[in-house]
Amino acid sequence: AQRVTQPEKLLSVFKGAPVELKCNYSYSGSPELFWYVQYSRQRLQLLLRHISRESIKGFTADLNKGETSFHLKKPFAQEEDSAMYYCATDKLIFGTGTRLQVFP
Amino acid sequence: NAGVMQNPRHLVRRRGQEARLRCSPMKGHSHVYWYRQLPEEGLKFMVYLQKENIIDESGMPKERFSAEFPKEGPSILRIQQVVRGDSAAYFCASSPGTTDTQYFGPGTRLTVL
Repeated sequence: AQRVTQPEKLLSVFKGAPVELKCNYSYSGSPELFWYVQYSRQRLQLLLRHISRESIKGFTADLNKGETSFHLKKPFAQEEDSAMYYCATDKLIFGTGTRLQVFP
Repeated sequence: NAGVMQNPRHLVRRRGQEARLRCSPMKGHSHVYWYRQLPEEGLKFMVYLQKENIIDESGMPKERFSAEFPKEGPSILRIQQVVRGDSAAYFCASSPGTTDTQYFGPGTRLTVL
């Protein structure tokens, strides 16, 4: 069965520190992967998708087919990055989410 | 564009009652998706609908749950004879097409007493 794994429930860093939110997938065929974000009291929204290869709010994610990973990275975390982050596939399979806390 | 609307935002039911959750997609979107989020778990896909058609209901429990997306009006997720285990947040998303970005609603939190 297809699966998305986000091993960390909670990730805490200080402002300015690098951030990496892990996502591993098991998928047959060519995956299309997404990162969604949910800020406090807001609805879930798309952050980025691997096919567009963009950097959004300083975040990037590279699809590594060899490691079946799609980790989300940002070199310098900001307090406003604190949120829940979900990795997902185009087959509508979501990970359990990682809560990112950025302390001042 | 008001975005995806869901109502009610909170719904309390007693065991055995019926729960009806509504989702109005964004204007121009004909694809609707329902997800369930149980406490301490991630989003789980339930069902994908286009106007008047169920495209994929592989994530839907076989009994008590049904969904529809009529030609006019919102999409409805219906849960009959609710049990405590149905307590969860139910999210709806919509998109203009199959491979397009999904836009999520604020969710309906169902509590079964």
